[in-house]
Amino acid sequence: DAKTTQPTSMDCAEGRAANLPCNHSTISGNEYVYWYRQIHSQGPQYIIHGLKNNETNEMASLIITEDRKSSTLILPHATLRDTAVYYCIVRVAGVNNAGNMLTFGGGTRLMVKP
Amino acid sequence: NAGVMQNPRHLVRRRGQEARLRCSPMKGHSHVYWYRQLPEEGLKFMVYLQKENIIDESGMPKERFSAEFPKEGPSILRIQQVVRGDSAAYFCASSPLPYEQYFGPGTRLTVT
Repeated sequence: DAKTTQPTSMDCAEGRAANLPCNHSTISGNEYVYWYRQIHSQGPQYIIHGLKNNETNEMASLIITEDRKSSTLILPHATLRDTAVYYCIVRVAGVNNAGNMLTFGGGTRLMVKP
Repeated sequence: NAGVMQNPRHLVRRRGQEARLRCSPMKGHSHVYWYRQLPEEGLKFMVYLQKENIIDESGMPKERFSAEFPKEGPSILRIQQVVRGDSAAYFCASSPLPYEQYFGPGTRLTVT
């Protein structure tokens, strides 16, 4: 799987949009971009994923650049409960064999402040 | 639809004992993954299983660790003769197909 680069930490004011960047310059054509978050010591929570089109769900939006070398996760109205470590992961999806794991890097520690 | 369930949530074992961690995937999910998170570190993949089959165990330590996902019942991660270095949070994830994975709350193993 391609490697990702994320800022170590970010702050965001409560109620404002949180924009979390991720670089994945070596991404392959069949690799998806996934975002997970881990709140304190809980299990990671799936947020969103995409291949090349922008995606939106009830939690967040995912903006992927046209060349697919980077992406941004957007939390439109951050709350204190969004404070967590956010992981950007690229992987081939739909493959029913070895190598189908998620490879977690260091992630971005997002601190939402009142 | 209940989420991924793991039990016990906390497990204390003395050095040399065995630890058994259980994971019940979400209903309809036939893919199970185990990850380990050492204190102050990121999650590391251990093993990927489908019903009755180990698909990828490239992250499993060579000795003392084993995993199974029988036709009936939960997936089990078994650690024999535990050592202090096994103290960690162990997370299980499941998926219906090999797409997004949904994680359980984890089992925190403490070896004394």
